[in-house]
Amino acid sequence: AQKITQTQPGMFVQEKEAVTLDCTYDTSDQSYGLFWYKQPSSGEMIFLIYQGSYDEQNATEGRYSLNFQKARKSANLVISASQLGDSAMYFCAMREGYGGGYNKLIFGAGTRLAVHP
Amino acid sequence: NAGVTQTPKFQVLKTGQSMTLQCAQDMNHNSMYWYRQDPGMGLRLIYYSASEGTTDKGEVPNGYNVSRLNKREFSLRLESAAPSQTSVYFCASDPGTEANQPQHFGDGTRLSIL
Repeated sequence: AQKITQTQPGMFVQEKEAVTLDCTYDTSDQSYGLFWYKQPSSGEMIFLIYQGSYDEQNATEGRYSLNFQKARKSANLVISASQLGDSAMYFCAMREGYGGGYNKLIFGAGTRLAVHP
Repeated sequence: NAGVTQTPKFQVLKTGQSMTLQCAQDMNHNSMYWYRQDPGMGLRLIYYSASEGTTDKGEVPNGYNVSRLNKREFSLRLESAAPSQTSVYFCASDPGTEANQPQHFGDGTRLSIL
């Protein structure tokens, strides 16, 4: 069965430094996708970045990048130049396979990031 | 810029009462989803609808029913609420045309069952 593991319940980082949030996954499918979402204290879910299992390059979106190591089944989120507004809960999620026009996502338990001035 | 709209934002129920959570999206998306989020856990899929007229069970469907009323609207019903259903409920949608398209989420409904 597919599973997402985020081993860091909480992390902190100094403003302007980089931070890596860990995500490992378990799947027997060859085709899958990995998403990262941010949930601020206000509660909404904000999409950050996507990596497909067949993508050869690591995904990047502004200050966010994904360190995708397929053989290790890890998809770590790297946030560069942390800002105070990055303080939030971060969720890794996986889509296994694709068909029928829907994405059934499995979420990890999340990592709470605190950015200190 | 409404996106995904959920109503109500907060609700308190007594055990055994029924309630329908409403969700509407204005992005012309095909697929819609209902999740619940419990403390210390990520979101878990309750039901989803790949297109108008179809619905399917997700990971935790027991105690819930859904209706895909039209392309825009996807409602979640609790027929007889139980304290274990106290949670934050999120509705989401995506275009349903390509695998890399992220889901867009509503702001959530915080539901307490006494």
